[in-house]
Amino acid sequence: NAGVTQTPKFQVLKTGQSMTLQCAQDMNHEYMSWYRQDPGMGLRLIHYSVGAGITDQGEVPNGYNVSRSTTEDFPLRLLSAAPSQTSVYFCASSPGTINTYEQYFGPGTRLTVT
Amino acid sequence: ILNVEQSPQSLHVQEGDSTNFTCSFPSSNFYALHWYRWETAKSPEALFVMTLNGDEKKKGRISATLNTKEGYSYLYIKGSQPEDSATYLCASRSGANNLFFGTGTRLTVIP
Repeated sequence: NAGVTQTPKFQVLKTGQSMTLQCAQDMNHEYMSWYRQDPGMGLRLIHYSVGAGITDQGEVPNGYNVSRSTTEDFPLRLLSAAPSQTSVYFCASSPGTINTYEQYFGPGTRLTVT
Repeated sequence: ILNVEQSPQSLHVQEGDSTNFTCSFPSSNFYALHWYRWETAKSPEALFVMTLNGDEKKKGRISATLNTKEGYSYLYIKGSQPEDSATYLCASRSGANNLFFGTGTRLTVIP
C-alpha cells in the first residue's frame, strides 16, 4: 500500500495563477480531507468528503474547490492563487467516521504564492 | 470553530524522564478526541482516538486519558527517549464532521 500520496511536493505560483493539488489513497477509505498548516496555527480543515460524490466545507474553504469523483482521488483546486494561500497542505484519509477512526496523512505539499 | 488548546507549547526533558501534556477542548457536544505524533519533515501519525469519558489508551510507553465532562485530555510519556522528540497534536470533533486541531506541544528529549 502506498497509503496517501500527494503531488507535487513543492510548488511556486504567481498571484492569480490556478493549480490543482493532487491527493490519492489506495486504502479504500471513505473519508478524505484537506488541511493547511500555517506557522503558529493548528492544522485547519479546508474541505472534506465522506464518500464519492459528496463534499463539504471545513473551517477555511474560501479560495479552494474540491471534487470527489472516485473513492481514491480528492484533488484541491486553487482558482486564483493569493499570497495568503502560501502554506503547507496536507491531505488525509480515514476508513470511516472520525469519531472512531484515526486519519492517515499524506506527505504534504509546500505551496508558495508570490 | 472549536477552541482546542494545548499546553505547554514546548518542553525539554532529559532522556529517561517521564512527562505529560494537556489538551483542553469544549466539553459541550463532544464526539471524539484524537492524538497525533508529528516528527519534523514527516506527516502526522495517529496515536489514539478516544470517545468515552474516562477512556484510557496505551501504546508502548505512551498513554492518554480523557475527561469529557471537564474538557481535557492528558498524554503521558514514560521514560522519554530521544526518538520521542516530536510535536504532539490533539484534535477534537464537536458537531459537524470536522476535526479542530490544537497548535501542538513540541517535545525535545535530551540524550
